[in-house]
Amino acid sequence: EAQVTQNPRYLITVTGKKLTVTCSQNMNHEYMSWYRQDPGLGLRQIYYSMNVEVTDKGDVPEGYKVSRKEKRNFPLILESPSPNQTSLYFCASNPGTSGTYNEQFFGPGTRLTVL
Amino acid sequence: AQTVTQSQPEMSVQEAETVTLSCTYDTSESNYYLFWYKQPPSRQMILVIRQEAYKQQNATENRFSVNFQKAAKSFSLKISDSQLGDTAMYFCAFMNRGDDMRFGAGTRLTVKP
Repeated sequence: EAQVTQNPRYLITVTGKKLTVTCSQNMNHEYMSWYRQDPGLGLRQIYYSMNVEVTDKGDVPEGYKVSRKEKRNFPLILESPSPNQTSLYFCASNPGTSGTYNEQFFGPGTRLTVL
Repeated sequence: AQTVTQSQPEMSVQEAETVTLSCTYDTSESNYYLFWYKQPPSRQMILVIRQEAYKQQNATENRFSVNFQKAAKSFSLKISDSQLGDTAMYFCAFMNRGDDMRFGAGTRLTVKP
């Protein structure tokens, strides 16, 4: 089954404790991205990757890091989480320029709370 | 930069009636895709309908249809015969070729019995 998986689905942590949210897709997609969803703001892009070892900042990158060492994986790293990073996070992928670009696949979301 | 605007934060409709959700966008591109996503309480992002900008015919998917006005940069979603299961947050989104997806702020729709 074609899918994007994220782990964990729920996470409660404390300020300053490093964490990683994993994301994996099994569709051989080139393009992967991370979004955060906040009330009244919709989904905003944090980082994106157009292929292995190619990443770039989205609209709200401060406080986040990413890496793309393998095509299927795109982890989101919070080196020192703060309460303003409490949010719902989505990983997404699409075929990118190598295929049709008319659909984006989303993971199930990760609810993060930073105390 | 492309922007997407949903001017209705909340809407409600009686079961079996029709409701229209509004969306406008801004872009200088000529070829792009527009989407409506549904987000129920499970938080999963579910694709409802999509429209290719170069197609003049409005997309339809069962009870869901769009009114795509390219010149006006408007992309509204019409839900006919509303059902209780349609209660959700709805997001309008825009995507270029191989580019990121831009979202509106969302409209929370409640279907009342």
